[in-house]
Amino acid sequence: GENVEQHPSTLSVQEGDSAVIKCTYSDSASNYFPWYKQELGKGPQLIIDIRSNVGEKKDQRIAVTLNKTAKHFSLHITETQPEDSAVYFCAASKMDDMRFGAGTRLTVKP
Amino acid sequence: KAGVTQTPRYLIKTRGQQVTLSCSPISGHRSVSWYQQTPGQGLQFLFEYFSETQRNKGNFPGRFSGRQFSNSRSEMNVSTLELGDSALYLCASSLNVGGQTGELFFGEGSRLTVL
Repeated sequence: GENVEQHPSTLSVQEGDSAVIKCTYSDSASNYFPWYKQELGKGPQLIIDIRSNVGEKKDQRIAVTLNKTAKHFSLHITETQPEDSAVYFCAASKMDDMRFGAGTRLTVKP
Repeated sequence: KAGVTQTPRYLIKTRGQQVTLSCSPISGHRSVSWYQQTPGQGLQFLFEYFSETQRNKGNFPGRFSGRQFSNSRSEMNVSTLELGDSALYLCASSLNVGGQTGELFFGEGSRLTVL
């Protein structure tokens, strides 16, 4: 089955800096790559996603890039704010099988 | 529109006991997935149900089981609890199966502690 690796496991940045989280996947048939944000005490919530026919997608301060050849995708957060502090999960999906990475705990220091 | 509701939110059990967790999906959602979340292991996929049928299953022992009812509500059961089963169990609902439509809507989870 699909295996998703996520790095780094923890990330600390100063407010206003950029943050980058990277994921690799093993199954070339995966075609959907969402990112979820989990705040303390809550369930994960979708923040952005990308499908395999697109190389990059942006939504305000958040962007995701996908390299199908290398089988990796990344989340980019610019101008980080304290409210961006959370655990972020990447996932890779094909058909009815979605698998998640182990998560990255992002801390934005004011 | 009500979100995904999981009950109970917190529970404490002892080794050898069994536990049943409940999940009510968003109205109209037919797919329910269950995940186990532990520190350092992220979200481990347990199983997914769609229209009362198990569509997919993760690599968990047979002590973990689930079902889905005709109203799409789902339950998962863990028998003969072990200390390592202590975790946050998350339920997610979606309109269709797995990643076909994209977004999973997660509940806040049921935190199980096994003593």
